[in-house]
Amino acid sequence: SAVISQKPSRDICQRGTSLTIQCQVDSQVTMMFWYRQQPGQSLTLIATANQGSEATYESGFVIDKFPISRPNLTFSTLTVSNMSPEDSSIYLCSVGGGAVSVQETQYFGPGTRLLVL
Amino acid sequence: AQSVTQPDIHITVSEGASLELRCNYSYGATPYLFWYVQSPGQGLQLLLKYFSGDTLVQGIKGFEAEFKRSQSSFNLRKPSVHWSDAAEYFCAVGAGDNDMRFGAGTRLTVKP
Repeated sequence: SAVISQKPSRDICQRGTSLTIQCQVDSQVTMMFWYRQQPGQSLTLIATANQGSEATYESGFVIDKFPISRPNLTFSTLTVSNMSPEDSSIYLCSVGGGAVSVQETQYFGPGTRLLVL
Repeated sequence: AQSVTQPDIHITVSEGASLELRCNYSYGATPYLFWYVQSPGQGLQLLLKYFSGDTLVQGIKGFEAEFKRSQSSFNLRKPSVHWSDAAEYFCAVGAGDNDMRFGAGTRLTVKP
């Protein structure tokens, strides 16, 4: 497995502002994923971020709202832009592939808890 | 596309009692199956996974799960629940290329 950290762990933001969430892994991974978990809900995949290519977004999520960077094999960022209260969620980073994961397994970071006022 | 259903939103068991959490999946081929646990305020921790071979898989914290193809199920079990097992449990199904879909989750409450 891998050690995955996320910053910030939680934040309270004003509507209309943007927040960038960082995900750091202690070893190189092929694939990084960003999920949203709305209050009391399950996980919904936002996008898949592979190093060296554009992120692939799931239906209902767009790059203008959730821009993603993947500058190397151990790091990714997700920005939540022009926030509204509906963006209040837990945002989770996960990793898969590479040396830390075999056979389709994903490992998750601790999550970033975002509250938008 | 694959999908997964967790029929029980909330389950309450007494400490020391046995536990079974249900998971049903829909997928045309043999899926990759996972159980994750999310403790309050935490991320997701992998409990166990099934890809092929023995249909009864052992995981961490004393959990096991059995893959039953005929029933499209992958139920999670534990013979004796501890108070620290109180958490949200997610079943997930993968279809390849790390395309993973999660169930809605089952919240487990453990009574003293």
